[in-house]
Amino acid sequence: GQNIDQPTEMTATEGAIVQINCTYQTSGFNGLFWYQQHAGEAPTFLSYNVLDGLEEKGRFSSFLSRSKGYSYLLLKELQMKDSASYLCAVLDSNYQLIWGAGTKLIIKP
Amino acid sequence: ETGVTQTPRHLVMGMTNKKSLKCEQHLGHNAMYWYKQSAKKPLELMFVYSLEERVENNSVPSRFSPECPNSSHLFLHLHTLQPEDSALYLCASSQEGSGGPYEQFFGPGTRLTVL
Repeated sequence: GQNIDQPTEMTATEGAIVQINCTYQTSGFNGLFWYQQHAGEAPTFLSYNVLDGLEEKGRFSSFLSRSKGYSYLLLKELQMKDSASYLCAVLDSNYQLIWGAGTKLIIKP
Repeated sequence: ETGVTQTPRHLVMGMTNKKSLKCEQHLGHNAMYWYKQSAKKPLELMFVYSLEERVENNSVPSRFSPECPNSSHLFLHLHTLQPEDSALYLCASSQEGSGGPYEQFFGPGTRLTVL
């Protein structure tokens, strides 16, 4: 079967750095997405990785290792507004998105 | 209007009611999706429409009936629902066949409560 694993919940301190991991087992791979979802709101696109390596976008970076079936989202200089759920999703061989359950990130002052 | 809109934002219905959820996308995309989001569970893909044809139906109960009259509008007709159908229903759209990355844009969702 297809599976996406990510931690259920993480806590970090304002101004710090946090890394949210995602491991996947899917039938084929055509890219990995990270989405941010604030409570009661729509998921919004953060990043897309299809090749191995690190993609940096401001305070957020996303890393992919296809051989290990592994990705992480790195958030730097955390702000209170970063409190949200972070969803990992993989595009499989049929170009269907397989979703993780999301990681709820709690930022404390 | 921007992005993907959904109405209503909140809906409370009894098990014998019939209601419809509406989604509209203003992005010129050619694919639209219905998802169910329950607490602490992955997004569940319910239906996919590509070029107004249904291409995915993941064993969704017949009490959920989708309709896609054109590439900008998507409906989810609900009848005789069960309390376990209470969830956030998200609509999304994307542009298929563009070579990727097939990013999906989501609406704000309809919070459905079945009594």
